Amino acid sequence: NAGVTQTPKFRILKIGQSMTLQCTQDMNHNYMYWYRQDPGMGLKLIYYSVGAGITDKGEVPNGYNVSRSTTEDFPLRLELAAPSQTSVYFCASSEGTSPLHFGNGTRLTVT
Amino acid sequence: RKEVEQDPGPFNVPEGATVAFNCTYSNSASQSFFWYRQDCRKEPKLLMSVYSSGNEDGRFTAQLNRASQYISLLIRDSKLSDSATYLCVVTRSGGYNKLIFGAGTRLAVHP
Repeated sequence: NAGVTQTPKFRILKIGQSMTLQCTQDMNHNYMYWYRQDPGMGLKLIYYSVGAGITDKGEVPNGYNVSRSTTEDFPLRLELAAPSQTSVYFCASSEGTSPLHFGNGTRLTVT
Repeated sequence: RKEVEQDPGPFNVPEGATVAFNCTYSNSASQSFFWYRQDCRKEPKLLMSVYSSGNEDGRFTAQLNRASQYISLLIRDSKLSDSATYLCVVTRSGGYNKLIFGAGTRLAVHP
């Protein structure tokens, strides 16, 4: 039982490049989330999903896209990377009101 | 004004000390409250939920004051392993997907 797995752990992108952050969970949770955490700031919700085929915007969705074709996977897509997207990205999942289970995070630098 | 505010610290305390953190929230409709712990460069993990009547888990005690809109975390008999950042988390309007994270309070316990 791996929980929530994120890949890659680190990535450096040039401005304008695109990439997909992968997230998969093996707990059969319906809810999945993407957060970003900037230094000295709280986690901010980018997108979330309440089940396969259903996604919705969080507080800071601009510059990102998501899809949820299966219960297990919730990839986050950056189409045109910008320096403002330099951050640590956390994927999480939960079932109903159960506590969030977080992945280990992806450290992204855009230069 | 941030929706959830915490003193960033750091709180530097000796082993065995008692330390307390407060967190204020601005949305009076917030319904659920939590403390998460985040170790350096790691993912957040749930420490404890906060209930209206207050609750205790070993050396940790959490309190909620709805009238003044703050929650608190008390740590007794601090251990070196308690060194971490403590995140205050509230729900915006009842839904679990509407978690709002504070920026965290850093605790450093020294010998």
